[in-house]
Amino acid sequence: KQEVTQIPAALSVPEGENLVLNCSFTDSAIYNLQWFRQDPGKGLTSLLLIQSSQREQTSGRLNASLDKSSGRSTLYIAASQPGDSATYLCAVINYGQNFVFGPGTRLSVLP
Amino acid sequence: DAGITQSPRYKITETGRQVTLMCHQTWSHSYMFWYRQDLGHGLRLIYYSAAADITDKGEVPDGYVVSRSKTENFPLTLESATRSQTSVYFCASRRQGSYEQYFGPGTRLTVT
Repeated sequence: KQEVTQIPAALSVPEGENLVLNCSFTDSAIYNLQWFRQDPGKGLTSLLLIQSSQREQTSGRLNASLDKSSGRSTLYIAASQPGDSATYLCAVINYGQNFVFGPGTRLSVLP
Repeated sequence: DAGITQSPRYKITETGRQVTLMCHQTWSHSYMFWYRQDLGHGLRLIYYSAAADITDKGEVPDGYVVSRSKTENFPLTLESATRSQTSVYFCASRRQGSYEQYFGPGTRLTVT
């Protein structure tokens, strides 16, 4: 059974720092990995989708990498801003199955 | 461009009552999903649907019923609500051929 973990559970950084969020999964036979952002009391917003054939995806200040063989993905946020404060979730999907979500990393960017 | 909407956004009900949560999407996506989000458990899949009139169980289906008579709607019914079903419920959809999911704003359900 696929299990997804995220480290750290919570992170607090000063504005302007570059930071890395980690996502690990136990079954490397994944089809896709998707990173989401969730603001308090809100739904999930898709940030980046990485297909199994890709190694990374970039959108603005965000870069997500995928290493299937080691069962890891990282989300890199450059020049963090207070508006980046949110919970970040990763989710993986195996062939023929449905998404399995990690527990999330709660990020606070201090002005 | 409404996208995916859920109603109600907040609901308080009593144990034993029947409750229906609504989900509507305007993209004509084939797939629709219901998740619940609880502290300590993250997001867990309740039911999903690959097309109208096709539904299947997810990880935590007990106590829930779904239907999908139209592509755009995917209601979730709690037939006899229990306190353990107090949660935030999210509906999501994706199109055929893509695994990128889009989420609704959620329904916060409290069962007293």
